[in-house]
This record gives sequence, structure tokens and C-alpha cells, in this order.
Amino acid sequence: GAVVSQHPSRVICKSGTSVKIECRSLDFQATTMFWYRQFPKQSLMLMATSNEGSKATYEQGVEKDKFLINHASLTLSTLTVTSAHPEDSSFYICSAQGQEGGANVLTFGAGSRLTVL
Amino acid sequence: DAKTTQPNSMESNEEEPVHLPCNHSTISGTDYIHWYRQLPSQGPEYVIHGLTSNVNNRMASLAIAEDRKSSTLILHRATLRDAAVYYCILYTSGTYKYIFGTGTRLKVLA
Repeated sequence: GAVVSQHPSRVICKSGTSVKIECRSLDFQATTMFWYRQFPKQSLMLMATSNEGSKATYEQGVEKDKFLINHASLTLSTLTVTSAHPEDSSFYICSAQGQEGGANVLTFGAGSRLTVL
Repeated sequence: DAKTTQPNSMESNEEEPVHLPCNHSTISGTDYIHWYRQLPSQGPEYVIHGLTSNVNNRMASLAIAEDRKSSTLILHRATLRDAAVYYCILYTSGTYKYIFGTGTRLKVLA
């Protein structure tokens, strides 16, 4: 089945530093990837839609200069949290859109837990 | 974005069937109904999807109401490993987005 690898799984950083999270589709090509954010005991919140070769589309309220998304190839999308602060601490999850039975379905990465000190 | 409504939590006994309901009264004709589940501290996992007809796969069955305003995910024999949060999502071909609702937390009792 389709597999999405997300790295790192956990990262701890100091306030003011930038952190990059990678999302790779291992056995399929993904024109579209999605980035979500999840706080404890809450649902997933869509941050942005990433399309290969074009600028990401951000959801309302998500700062594009804060959360830089790059989708340079059909198998790799990256999320960079710039100048991270404690309020950016969260569980970040990527997903890649593939095909199942003729319809689009999502395959998710395992998530990246970011802790900003 | 079309919205879904699910009960916050449900319980089931192990080895018994579980019916997880989802209401999506604002669904449009081209919206697909998707179900994903999330185990603690993991990314969600695809379960099943459908458009109009009922669907079966190795994990579950999806029963879609005739008017498509509701659907039910059926786990035929719940196991302890099925304890998770189950999300019912509408994939809107117009906006090309997957918006998660609050989901149903399923507890399986041994």
C-alpha cells in the first residue's frame, strides 16, 4: 500500500530557531500534499494545500511567512516553521493524495511533534 | 466547506459489530464520503470511502443513505486495536480539500 514518510518524528528547539519537517511519498507520486496541525485532544486543522511546482494555498489564519511550504518534487514536500515560539509547539502531520479505486484518498505520515522551549 | 456531524464518543464490546454514524446534510452531488481513523500519537489511517453505493473492504463497510445525507461506518467485529478516533470527512471536488470534524472516539471493551 501507499506509504508516506515524515521526518523528524520529534524535535525540540529553542525559541527563535527554524525547524524543517519533511514529508515523502515513498511508492507513489503525489501532485498534492496537505499539511495539518493538531493540538492535544483536538481534531486535525488543515494548514495548507501543497501542489507540486506551485505555491502552497494556505487556510485562513495561517501565516504563510511563518509556515513555509515547499513542494519541489512529486515525492517531497517540506514545512519550515520559521522563528519558532512556544505557541508553535504542536503535532504536525502531512498527507499525500493518491488514488484508490479511481478516487482520491489520503495517506498520512506518522506526524512530527514539535516542542519549542 | 461541507460539514459532518459525529457523536463525540462510543463504546463497544470486543468481538461485537460497531456502527459509527455520520451526518452530512449539506453534501453535494460530487462529494465523496471518506473515513479515516487515528490511533494515539499517530497520523490518521485511511479506512474506506464511497460516493453513492455501499462499499466493503478488508477493514470495514460503509453504508450510505439513499439521500446521501448520512452514512454509517461498520466494523464487523471490533477488536482492541480498533480503539481510535474515527473521522468522517467529505472530500469536495470543488475545493479539493479534506476538512476534519471532531470525530468519534471509539472505546473497545475487553
